[in-house]
Amino acid sequence: GAVVSQHPSRVICKSGTSVKIECRSLDFQATTMFWYRQFPKQSLMLMATSNEGSKATYEQGVEKDKFLINHASLTLSTLTVTSAHPEDSSFYICSAGLTLKRAFFGQGTRLTVV
Amino acid sequence: AQSVTQLGSHVSVSEGALVLLRCNYSSSVPPYLFWYVQYPNQGLQLLLKYTSAATLVKGINGFEAEFKKSETSFHLTKPSAHMSDAAEYFCAVSVGDAGGTSYGKLTFGQGTILTVHP
Repeated sequence: GAVVSQHPSRVICKSGTSVKIECRSLDFQATTMFWYRQFPKQSLMLMATSNEGSKATYEQGVEKDKFLINHASLTLSTLTVTSAHPEDSSFYICSAGLTLKRAFFGQGTRLTVV
Repeated sequence: AQSVTQLGSHVSVSEGALVLLRCNYSSSVPPYLFWYVQYPNQGLQLLLKYTSAATLVKGINGFEAEFKKSETSFHLTKPSAHMSDAAEYFCAVSVGDAGGTSYGKLTFGQGTILTVHP
């Protein structure tokens, strides 16, 4: 079946540094991918829609200059958390839709900013 | 806009007992509905989905859910709980659009943590 791979699964970084998270669709092409964030004991909230070859669409309240999204190919989207701060510590998950009826999720990335 | 409400942030059952996790949705168009399970520090695994075919949907690990349009509900059930079912469960809705650009764009409920006691 279709697989979405996310890397890294865990990352710890110092406050003020940037972190890049990759999301790959392994056996299908995804013109659109989605990035979600999940704070402890909360649900998943959509951050942005990543569009291949064009600018990402951000949800209200999400800083586009802080969360940089690049979707340069049909199988890869990256999320870069710039100038990370402890409040950015969260679980980030990407997804890609193969059809309207099915979304595949990456394994998630646990980001801890110290 | 669509929304999902999961009633009960925590549900506790005994091993072998019935599991019932409640989900109500709001959507202005016919929705696609999903149940996902998440184990600690892991991604999401699809349990089952409703995509306008049969209203009673069977998924993996013995779970099933019934789409009831009149009640705008999509409750998840399992006849007999197992210890390995302990996890967090999310109900989600997708409406997408005709152009297909919303493939994978989901609105999630708040999640329900299922605890199974021996």
